[in-house]
Amino acid sequence: DAGITQSPRHKVTETGTPVTLRCHQTENHRYMYWYRQDPGHGLRLIHYSYGVKDTDKGEVSDGYSVSRSKTEDFLLTLESATSSQTSVYFCAMAQGRGNTIYFGEGSWLTVV
Amino acid sequence: DQQVKQNSPSLSVQEGRISILNCDYTNSMFDYFLWYKKYPAEGPTFLISISSIKDKNEDGRFTVFLNKSAKHLSLHIVPSQPGDSAVYFCAARGTNNAGNMLTFGGGTRLMVKP
Repeated sequence: DAGITQSPRHKVTETGTPVTLRCHQTENHRYMYWYRQDPGHGLRLIHYSYGVKDTDKGEVSDGYSVSRSKTEDFLLTLESATSSQTSVYFCAMAQGRGNTIYFGEGSWLTVV
Repeated sequence: DQQVKQNSPSLSVQEGRISILNCDYTNSMFDYFLWYKKYPAEGPTFLISISSIKDKNEDGRFTVFLNKSAKHLSLHIVPSQPGDSAVYFCAARGTNNAGNMLTFGGGTRLMVKP
């Protein structure tokens, strides 16, 4: 029971190109998040959303934008991909404030 | 500056013995702590949590201890099994956190040897 899926799961792109990662949830959860995982840094928050069209920046938001036009979809866009954005990206969701956060399976992005 | 730290990047334990994973935090506004487990090529999965009003929470083989005065928590796994081999992330959430966000440590890779 995934409940939350990410696409694409793997992508290789060239420096300077825009990239969009999609997160889709079927749980009608209010909160959605984008994290990136890098060695030695654990998981760092990029952006989050607390409702449709309500988003805010996280710890490492530079170079990223997000959109949430529907409850179920949360898009992460790299406006002009750089090699430093090579990472594993995890989408996550939570039903409400104080609830556990559940993660998707990750999207592996390589910028060459 | 990292607000949540896991100072041991890796830990190796024999099957059947106890695994102890440690986590330190600096932000006194954190009031809820969680442990996530992550296998390669998968997303993190929630394991166990503890509120700051408690000092211990147990779930089967997993127990989390919280020492607020030391700003330290630990995850005990007893007995350890080879299937427990994974990366474990400590995470914390603060009061007045409107976004329900978590701050994560860097992770500890646990290897349980048969």
